[in-house]
Amino acid sequence: GAGVSQSPRYKVAKRGQDVALRCDPISGHVSLFWYQQALGQGPEFLTYFQNEAQLDKSGLPSDRFFAERPEGSVSTLKIQRTQQEDSAVYLCASSLLVALQETQYFGPGTRLLVL
Amino acid sequence: LAKTTQPISMDSYEGQEVNITCSHNNIATNDYITWYQQFPSQGPRFIIQGYKTKVTNEVASLFIPADRKSSTLSLPRVSLSDTAVYYCLVGARDDKIIFGKGTRLHILP
Repeated sequence: GAGVSQSPRYKVAKRGQDVALRCDPISGHVSLFWYQQALGQGPEFLTYFQNEAQLDKSGLPSDRFFAERPEGSVSTLKIQRTQQEDSAVYLCASSLLVALQETQYFGPGTRLLVL
Repeated sequence: LAKTTQPISMDSYEGQEVNITCSHNNIATNDYITWYQQFPSQGPRFIIQGYKTKVTNEVASLFIPADRKSSTLSLPRVSLSDTAVYYCLVGARDDKIIFGKGTRLHILP
């Protein structure tokens, strides 16, 4: 079966440009997570959805970051007015159940470079 | 949320058994211990999860002593393809799990 997919895999943006990153979770997975991973660091939590409900967005770095999952499946992470410090890999993960210690299945990530 | 401490990096040779130990002194009663593996340019991949004693699957073993204040991931007979970053995670709080910096394992021929 298909795993978690993310698109685009690579994105180069000029500073100030808006970007949208897409995540297709495994079909039927209730929970969806977004992480940001800087070079040489572990993934850092950004936000969490249970179906279409965004239960936690405490990890979003600023109000320029916005995530949605309107139908409880595909999710989009939008970054407005990108800055150089937004350059990172953005990882999406999904899990079958709602328990947070359930196995998370990660996508390959979107590598964002802001010039 | 239990803080974890694991070595920054380790080197080993093909065919050896590799043990990576993670300390988590303030683990809570309901916390599970989970290990993920991450290759370059890929997302993390679940390896193993345990609560106490020993858990074994086709990839690794996880040893957890009775006090649960540490855990050891054991990789038998490693190969070059086991070169990766290994993350130890303990518990979850407030709708999130926390990845640390992980252990960079480098397997040499």
